[in-house]
Amino acid sequence: AQTVTQSQPEMSVQEAETVTLSCTYDTSESDYYLFWYKQPPSRQMILVIRQEAYKQQNATENRFSVNFQKAAKSFSLKISDSQLGDAAMYFCAYRSLDQTGANNLFFGTGTRLTVIP
Amino acid sequence: DADVTQTPRNRITKTGKRIMLECSQTKGHDRMYWYRQDPGLGLRLIYYSFDVKDINKGEISDGYSVSRQAQAKFSLSLESAIPNQTALYFCATSDPGGVTDTQYFGPGTRLTVL
Repeated sequence: AQTVTQSQPEMSVQEAETVTLSCTYDTSESDYYLFWYKQPPSRQMILVIRQEAYKQQNATENRFSVNFQKAAKSFSLKISDSQLGDAAMYFCAYRSLDQTGANNLFFGTGTRLTVIP
Repeated sequence: DADVTQTPRNRITKTGKRIMLECSQTKGHDRMYWYRQDPGLGLRLIYYSFDVKDINKGEISDGYSVSRQAQAKFSLSLESAIPNQTALYFCATSDPGGVTDTQYFGPGTRLTVL
């Protein structure tokens, strides 16, 4: 099974500043998808951003962007102009492109982000 | 209204009791999943279903069973609950024809087994 590693259990950022959350993964596949999910105190898992491995261009969604380094198997999330509402647990996830399998997501252990006013 | 709903949101039960967690979706997705979240371990797949007649075990299916009553409904049962099944349970749905087959999650059910 693929493994996803988030080496930062906790991070903090000043409001309006930029923060980068790290994620690495291990796979032998060449095509796959990567995701960042946000889990606020409400417990809801909310999709933040997604990246197809075959695309060289890094995905961007408003203040959220990724730095996808396929050779290094790295997928970091950058949050710009941090807001209080960004405070949450962030999970990196991997999904295989193989349609014969479960197509389930493999999750990292999460990074808890605190935003300081 | 939420696209993926789970009931109950919180449940406390005793060891040995049978428990059913329910998931409903209005997204029209064929694929549904049950995950379990434990502190420090991320989410892990329990069962998944690609359509009403298709049920498959995931990574940690022991002690659980599921029922896909309709395209929109997917229930998870604990036949005889035990304390180490205390966790946060998530239902998710996806559309294989959608972009990246992205999974969308319900709000979760917090289950405590005493």
